[in-house]
Amino acid sequence: AQSVTQPDIHITVSEGASLELRCNYSYGATPYLFWYVQSPGQGLQLLLKYFSGDTLVQGIKGFEAEFKRSQSSFNLRKPSVHWSDAAEYFCAVGYTNAGKSTFGDGTTLTVKP
Amino acid sequence: NAGVMQNPRHLVRRRGQEARLRCSPMKGHSHVYWYRQLPEEGLKFMVYLQKENIIDESGMPKERFSAEFPKEGPSILRIQQVVRGDSAAYFCASSPPTGEAAFFGQGTRLTVV
Repeated sequence: AQSVTQPDIHITVSEGASLELRCNYSYGATPYLFWYVQSPGQGLQLLLKYFSGDTLVQGIKGFEAEFKRSQSSFNLRKPSVHWSDAAEYFCAVGYTNAGKSTFGDGTTLTVKP
Repeated sequence: NAGVMQNPRHLVRRRGQEARLRCSPMKGHSHVYWYRQLPEEGLKFMVYLQKENIIDESGMPKERFSAEFPKEGPSILRIQQVVRGDSAAYFCASSPPTGEAAFFGQGTRLTVV
């Protein structure tokens, strides 16, 4: 069965600092990989996705993620964090279909002024 | 183009009552997915439906929970005889037939008292 691990429950960074959120997955085939962001009381917004091709994918809001097959990882990065990036971030793995995914438990990002 | 619409946003039910959660997919989307998010946890897949068909219900509890997506109208997630443990946020997502992206609604937060 597929699984997704987000090792960091909570991360705090200073505004303007760089950010990396970790995601590891366990899956038997080449997965579809996603990062979502959820603000308090809101739904999920897709930041970026990887299906195939270039392993470095660009998303919205200045985020990028790199798929590393050898490490079964899909870490999310941003060079300079803004206060509005404070939210919860979810990594997800799908097989054939973006709608049916396995989600990690999320990483809560706090941004210090 | 309206996004995925869920209603109600908040729902309070007493133990033993029924809860009905509605989801209208984005225009042109024929696939609907329901997820449950317990406090401090990630989203857990419940069921995947196309119009008039349940495609995958592997995440649905065996009792009290049912889902439908009729030919006309929204998808409905129905929880009979609710218990305290059903308190959670329930999210609906929709995708086009190609399934390359899923869009989430803002969720229904169910509280069982």
